[in-house]
Amino acid sequence: DTGVSQDPRHKITKRGQNVTFRCDPISEHNRLYWYRQTLGQGPEFLTYFQNEAQLEKSRLLSDRFSAERPKGSFSTLEIQRTEQGDSAMYLCASSLPLRYEQYFGPGTRLTVT
Amino acid sequence: ELKVEQNPLFLSMQEGKNYTIYCNYSTTSDRLYWYRQDPGKSLESLFVLLSNGAVKQEGRLMASLDTKARLSTLHITAAVHDLSATYFCAVDMFSTDKLIFGTGTRLQVFP
Repeated sequence: DTGVSQDPRHKITKRGQNVTFRCDPISEHNRLYWYRQTLGQGPEFLTYFQNEAQLEKSRLLSDRFSAERPKGSFSTLEIQRTEQGDSAMYLCASSLPLRYEQYFGPGTRLTVT
Repeated sequence: ELKVEQNPLFLSMQEGKNYTIYCNYSTTSDRLYWYRQDPGKSLESLFVLLSNGAVKQEGRLMASLDTKARLSTLHITAAVHDLSATYFCAVDMFSTDKLIFGTGTRLQVFP
């Protein structure tokens, strides 16, 4: 399978705990994006990388959120001190430069109890 | 602030009928995307429209883009049950590759 992969697919955590998600983009895609989708809404942009450089962060990405892409390959999204409002589907996408089309992974569904 | 609006938000249609989903956006952009999402699943890319007047067709779906009107349409021809899903349009914000999505149109096709 050469698509975008995400791990875990589901995560249930208690409020206040830290969680980390991983995204593996399509090989050779140097752009990687994180989006968040709540029930009944469209995905909302969180942040994106070109290679290992984080180029932009949304205002939605509070100080409790941090994303990394240390070697320009896989990326991690960490949420510290989770809150119930963090419950959502976290989607990762990747693309080639100037090719416009973003390919989405299966998502990580986070439930904060 | 770039806003993307879709209508209708919910569409229930009979098999064999035709219908159009509309996507309006508030700021100049010359790239528009259509995605499909099945319940509990991720997004599947349907169309990428890159210029004014672009029209693309795949099976029973046809998408078009009018950048002057800031409007894209997704036309469904002779709907079948397998098309039941949520359809999102998304606009590239100022050519940054950062997608701004509409609220989605939930399509239900019944016999």
